Amino acid sequence: ELKVEQNPLFLSMQEGKNYTIYCNYSTTSDRLYWYRQDPGKSLESLFVLLSNGAVKQEGRLMASLDTKARLSTLHITAAVHDLSATYFCAVEANFGNEKLTFGTGTRLTIIP
Amino acid sequence: DVKVTQSSRYLVKRTGEKVFLECVQDMDHENMFWYRQDPGLGLRLIYFSYDVKMKEKGDIPEGYSVSREKKERFSLILESASTNQTSMYLCASRPSGPSGGRSYNEQFFGPGTRLTVL
Repeated sequence: ELKVEQNPLFLSMQEGKNYTIYCNYSTTSDRLYWYRQDPGKSLESLFVLLSNGAVKQEGRLMASLDTKARLSTLHITAAVHDLSATYFCAVEANFGNEKLTFGTGTRLTIIP
Repeated sequence: DVKVTQSSRYLVKRTGEKVFLECVQDMDHENMFWYRQDPGLGLRLIYFSYDVKMKEKGDIPEGYSVSREKKERFSLILESASTNQTSMYLCASRPSGPSGGRSYNEQFFGPGTRLTVL
């Protein structure tokens, strides 16, 4: 059974600081997805990482994938308030079975 | 743009009632999913369907059933609602295989239904 662990669960950080969210998973996969959820809203796709060493960046967010370590990271650079949200990673265990397994989410709060 | 819609944003029901949550997608996706979201537990898959009239249990199917009579519509049914089914319910759809010129198949979510069972 595929397990996906995210940490931390909660993260409170000051504007301007850097931090990293970690996503570990338990079985071989080379497809990993990051989603963002604003309070009271649904999930929006942020990044799709499709191979070992993949790196994607959008604004102050950068995601990377190490399939050998079964680890993905979401790095936040010089945080700003509008990045406050809950971030989820999701792993596709076997391409073609169409099922994603989600992590527990990281609730990020940026403090002015 | 892909659109996944859910019939209600907020719903309040009483214990023992039969509850229907409806989800409709407009992109002809083969796969549809129902999740529940609870604080600290992330998204947990209840049921999914990869074709009309086909369904498979997810990780927490107990107390739920589903129906998919048409490709665009996937319904979640709580036969006899209980207070521990108070939660946020999210529907999602996904094509089978890469689409839109991409090498992956993206999953799209509806806005969610916040169900309270009293």
